[in-house]
Amino acid sequence: NAGVTQTPKFRVLKTGQSMTLLCAQDMNHEYMYWYRQDPGMGLRLIHYSVGEGTTAKGEVPDGYNVSRLKKQNFLLGLESAAPSQTSVYFCASRRSDTQYFGPGTRLTVL
Amino acid sequence: AQTVTQSQPEMSVQEAETVTLSCTYDTSESDYYLFWYKQPPSRQMILVIRQEAYKQQNATENRFSVNFQKAAKSFSLKISDSQLGDAAMYFCAYRSAIGNEKLTFGTGTRLTIIP
Repeated sequence: NAGVTQTPKFRVLKTGQSMTLLCAQDMNHEYMYWYRQDPGMGLRLIHYSVGEGTTAKGEVPDGYNVSRLKKQNFLLGLESAAPSQTSVYFCASRRSDTQYFGPGTRLTVL
Repeated sequence: AQTVTQSQPEMSVQEAETVTLSCTYDTSESDYYLFWYKQPPSRQMILVIRQEAYKQQNATENRFSVNFQKAAKSFSLKISDSQLGDAAMYFCAYRSAIGNEKLTFGTGTRLTIIP
């Protein structure tokens, strides 16, 4: 049981490039989330999904897109990366009232 | 909108001693959940303890316990017998019990353990 995993762990992009972050969970959870963490701040919700085929906007959705084609996977896409998207990205899945987090992806946009 | 405030950016404690981390929150709701998460240098967010607002009894997990004061909207974390492995950032978080998927985090408290 790996829990929540994220790929990749680190990535450096140039402004304007695109990329996709992959989140996978093997706990059969319906709910999944993408957060970003910036220095001096707590995590902020980007997008979330309440089940396969569904997505919804969170607190800071601009510049990101998501897809949940399979229950176990939740993808976060950046179509045209900007330096303001330099951050650590966390995926989480939820059972009952508790969220379980992945190890994070550190993204730097130059 | 709900807000979570952690007024102590940094705390330190001697190994084996007890330390209390503060958290206050603002909400108009009566039913919600509160959490403490630990983030060590590995960056992994680890759930430490959770509290359901409708339960008056304070949650306890081994050396970790909370002091939940619903009327005061306060949710502090007490770590007893502090260990070197407790060194981390600690985040307080709030989630509504109904509908809203958002988990609102405080800005964190960095805890240092002094050997």
